[in-house]
Amino acid sequence: GEDVEQSLFLSVREGDSSVINCTYTDSSSTYLYWYKQEPGAGLQLLTYIFSNMDMKQDQRLTVLLNKKDKHLSLRIADTQTGDSAIYFCAWGAGGYNKLIFGAGTRLAVHP
Amino acid sequence: DGGITQSPKYLFRKEGQNVTLSCEQNLNHDAMYWYRQDPGQGLRLIYYSQIVNDFQKGDIAEGYSVSREKKESFPLTVTSAQKNPTAFYLCASSGQAANTEAFFGQGTRLTVV
Repeated sequence: GEDVEQSLFLSVREGDSSVINCTYTDSSSTYLYWYKQEPGAGLQLLTYIFSNMDMKQDQRLTVLLNKKDKHLSLRIADTQTGDSAIYFCAWGAGGYNKLIFGAGTRLAVHP
Repeated sequence: DGGITQSPKYLFRKEGQNVTLSCEQNLNHDAMYWYRQDPGQGLRLIYYSQIVNDFQKGDIAEGYSVSREKKESFPLTVTSAQKNPTAFYLCASSGQAANTEAFFGQGTRLTVV
């Protein structure tokens, strides 16, 4: 089956870079996603990467995918207090966009 | 504006009662989903529907029921058979293609009292 793992908590100083990691055990899916959840709210798509890509950059966000090690990371440059949230990696499974989610990493940004 | 709306935001239920959570979308999406979120865990899929009048069980369907009579609506009923219903429930919708974005509602927090 498929499983996604994430570390649960990350604390960074404002202005530093944040790196959130995600590992998975097995998947044949085509896309991998990063979602952001602010307190008491739903999830919002941040970015996604196609499985045949190694890297995708979108402004302050950089996604790295290592298929050999089954490892995905999200780097946030110049982290701001507004970036404080829970970040979920998710793996698309099936043609109807069924998503399998990691446990989520809570990012805390302090002055 | 297009979007997906869940109601109510907070819901309290007595033990032994059924409750229904509402989810409505005006994005013209074919697929809709219900997820359950518990602290320290990822989202777990309860039910999903790819098209009107059709739905499938997800990973934790026991104690839940759904209907999909209209494209824009996908209500979730939490029945008395669900032994641990207190959680945050999220509804989502998406198009049919594999890489289309899933849009989420703001969630309903259900508490059993």
